[in-house]
Amino acid sequence: GDSVTQMEGPVTLSEEAFLTINCTYTATGYPSLFWYVQYPGEGLQLLLKATKADDKGSNKGFEATYRKETTSFHLEKGSVQVSDSAVYFCALSQGGYQKVTFGTGTKLQVIP
Amino acid sequence: DVKVTQSSRYLVKRTGEKVFLECVQDMDHENMFWYRQDPGLGLRLIYFSYDVKMKEKGDIPEGYSVSREKKERFSLILESASTNQTSMYLCASSSTGGGEKLFFGSGTQLSVL
Repeated sequence: GDSVTQMEGPVTLSEEAFLTINCTYTATGYPSLFWYVQYPGEGLQLLLKATKADDKGSNKGFEATYRKETTSFHLEKGSVQVSDSAVYFCALSQGGYQKVTFGTGTKLQVIP
Repeated sequence: DVKVTQSSRYLVKRTGEKVFLECVQDMDHENMFWYRQDPGLGLRLIYFSYDVKMKEKGDIPEGYSVSREKKERFSLILESASTNQTSMYLCASSSTGGGEKLFFGSGTQLSVL
């Protein structure tokens, strides 16, 4: 079945550092790919998405490019802030009923 | 603001009790989902529903059932709670024409003692 693998956390960075969180996927078809973010005490919210190969999703300074050849969707941000501290989930969706498969999540802690 | 509301933020139950987790969305979404979130395992889909009175098993349905009598409400039922069902439960909804974006509630932390 479909699956998503993302890097283990936690990731600790200083403010203004460059962020990369790796994500790879396994799927038989052509899934849509997502990054969701979960701030402390809250549910998940969509951060960005890409629906086909070579698409780049972006939001709030975060970016991720759908790479079909490497089955990857790595999350990047050029300069992180303390307010970016959260858990980040990579996810994919395909087929009917919009069933979404999530990775295990990567906790990011940004220190001043 | 669009909303998915879960009835309880924290819940403590005893082994063997019947437990109801309620979820209501105000966005007229067709699809609703129940996930459980555990450290190191991420989110795992328990059940989902794509229409009133319709339900489909997710990846880990054992020990759970669901009910969707109205479009806006999706209930998760633990028929006989066990300690291994201690977890964070997240409800989500989406629109069929909405580009697969899920809207989540803030979760119910269930402890089964």
